Amino acid sequence: GQQVMQIPQYQHVQEGEDFTTYCNSSTTLSNIQWYKQRPGGHPVFLIQLVKSGEVKKQKRLTFQFGEAKKNSSLHITATQTTDVGTYFCAGPRGNKLVFGAGTILRVKS
Amino acid sequence: SAVISQKPSRDICQRGTSLTIQCQVDSQVTMMFWYRQQPGQSLTLIATANQGSEATYESGFVIDKFPISRPNLTFSTLTVSNMSPEDSSIYLCSAQTGAGELFFGEGSRLTVL
Repeated sequence: GQQVMQIPQYQHVQEGEDFTTYCNSSTTLSNIQWYKQRPGGHPVFLIQLVKSGEVKKQKRLTFQFGEAKKNSSLHITATQTTDVGTYFCAGPRGNKLVFGAGTILRVKS
Repeated sequence: SAVISQKPSRDICQRGTSLTIQCQVDSQVTMMFWYRQQPGQSLTLIATANQGSEATYESGFVIDKFPISRPNLTFSTLTVSNMSPEDSSIYLCSAQTGAGELFFGEGSRLTVL
């Protein structure tokens, strides 16, 4: 079945450095979603990308959807301690969502 | 958006017993799902809770072990039956809006001794 692969598994950055997580699907996706889960919290929806080549920004976060709609990335510029958490991408499979393994971000202040 | 109340938030249970987790959404939603998440791991879909009919289970999950109810468009329950230590996990209820995004409850952290 359709799988969503996400890398890296873990990243530890110095506050102020940039961070990127990548998501790849074995099949073309109609859309891709991104979620953030703070330590001890539950996943929170960040954004949905639908169009081929789409780029969306939320303050320091930049989300991209690949031209072939098989890959996506989340880039955080100048990380802050509030960015700590696990970032998941998720792609649809029928009327359900399949989540990537997630990237754990730790920020050293 | 949707606000989801889930309870209990955590519980410690004895092997062989059953626990029912409740999920209440503040608005009517078509799709509700139950996920399981091991600490530090991703989310694994257990089943889709269908209103008025039997839940649809993912591979590896069965109704006898994880019976689910969905009596209306705002409420669902998940029961973890005949628990063993391997069932220790975080169980998450979620609801899908018309736009497709998922909203999650706070989760129920279950420890089985």
